[in-house]
Amino acid sequence: DTGVSQNPRHKITKRGQNVTFRCDPISEHNRLYWYRQTLGQGPEFLTYFQNEAQLEKSRLLSDRFSAERPKGSFSTLEIQRTEQGDSAMYLCASSLLQREQYFGPGTRLTVT
Amino acid sequence: QKEVEQDPGPLSVPEGAIVSLNCTYSNSAFQYFMWYRQYSRKGPELLMYTYSSGNKEDGRFTAQVDKSSKYISLFIRDSQPSDSATYLCAMMNTGFQKLVFGTGTRLLVSP
Repeated sequence: DTGVSQNPRHKITKRGQNVTFRCDPISEHNRLYWYRQTLGQGPEFLTYFQNEAQLEKSRLLSDRFSAERPKGSFSTLEIQRTEQGDSAMYLCASSLLQREQYFGPGTRLTVT
Repeated sequence: QKEVEQDPGPLSVPEGAIVSLNCTYSNSAFQYFMWYRQYSRKGPELLMYTYSSGNKEDGRFTAQVDKSSKYISLFIRDSQPSDSATYLCAMMNTGFQKLVFGTGTRLLVSP
């Protein structure tokens, strides 16, 4: 399968701990996106990379969140000092053309 | 008020019915209009997208955009139980990267 992959698929953590998620985009895609989806809602944009450059960040991305894409391939999203409100599905998408964003299966975060 | 409004449903139909799913939006700068399908606990799957106004057909799916009314639709012909999922509309400005999603409509197709 050459689609977008995300790991881990599910993460349970205690409040205050740090967590890191990984996204591997479709190999030829230079654009990578992170979204967050809570129950009963559509995905909300967090941030966007073109190659290794982070070009856009949402106001949803507080100082506790940081994303990287060091060599323009895979990306990581780290949440420091997790809070219960961070519980959500974190979705990664990649694209070659901005309008065709292909999503991965997501990482479901539960903060207890 | 949200930029994109979508009835959350659920919408229940019998197998073989024609399904109509809709979204309204407020931002007249949106140029690209997408429909995604999302099965439970999975990532969204891109079904189709349309640029500006008009219709687009792909198999049993037809997408329509009416920019004058700020209204988009997805029609599913000959619906199947496997179509049971949440359908998300999404929109984008030209030159921007983020998709703005509706809340999704949950569709249930009964055999």
